[in-house]
Amino acid sequence: AQTVTQSQPEMSVQEAETVTLSCTYDTSENNYYLFWYKQPPSRQMILVIRQEAYKQQNATENRFSVNFQKAAKSFSLKISDSQLGDTAMYFCAFMKHSGTYKYIFGTGTRLKVLA
Amino acid sequence: DGGITQSPKYLFRKEGQNVTLSCEQNLNHDAMYWYRQDPGQGLRLIYYSQIVNDFQKGDIAEGYSVSREKKESFPLTVTSAQKNPTAFYLCASSGPGQNLYEQYFGPGTRLTVT
Repeated sequence: AQTVTQSQPEMSVQEAETVTLSCTYDTSENNYYLFWYKQPPSRQMILVIRQEAYKQQNATENRFSVNFQKAAKSFSLKISDSQLGDTAMYFCAFMKHSGTYKYIFGTGTRLKVLA
Repeated sequence: DGGITQSPKYLFRKEGQNVTLSCEQNLNHDAMYWYRQDPGQGLRLIYYSQIVNDFQKGDIAEGYSVSREKKESFPLTVTSAQKNPTAFYLCASSGPGQNLYEQYFGPGTRLTVT
């Protein structure tokens, strides 16, 4: 069975600084997807970034980028130039490439951006 | 605007009563999902449906039931058999095609049972 681990329950960062959130996962699958979702205080889940395991190039979306290390089963999220609006819970999620399209979520990291 | 709606935002029920949470989407998505979120835990899958008139149990289906009679709708019933029903419930959908890999979430329903 797949598992997703986020070992940092809470983090804080100064506005305009860079922060990295960690995620590790365990799977015997070779093809899969990894995701980072953001949940602000409104509790609306928002997709931040997606990575396909077969792609070696790390995904980027504006200020958000990932460091995907397939052999180490690590998928960290880097937020550059942090903004107050980045304050949220961040969830890492895993999905197998085929089958039921079910997500396995980590327990989340609460990020607070300080003014 | 296309999206997922969940109603109501807050729901209060007495212990022993069944309650149904609504989830509607107009994204023409094939698959729909129900998650439960508790403090300190990630989202846990209750039920999912990949096609109309078919659904599968997730990791914590006991005490819950669903139906999928229409593509747009996937209501969740929390029955009196659910031991700890107070939680935040999120509905999601995905598809079609390649987009099955990305789930879009509704705003959630906070259920409180006393």
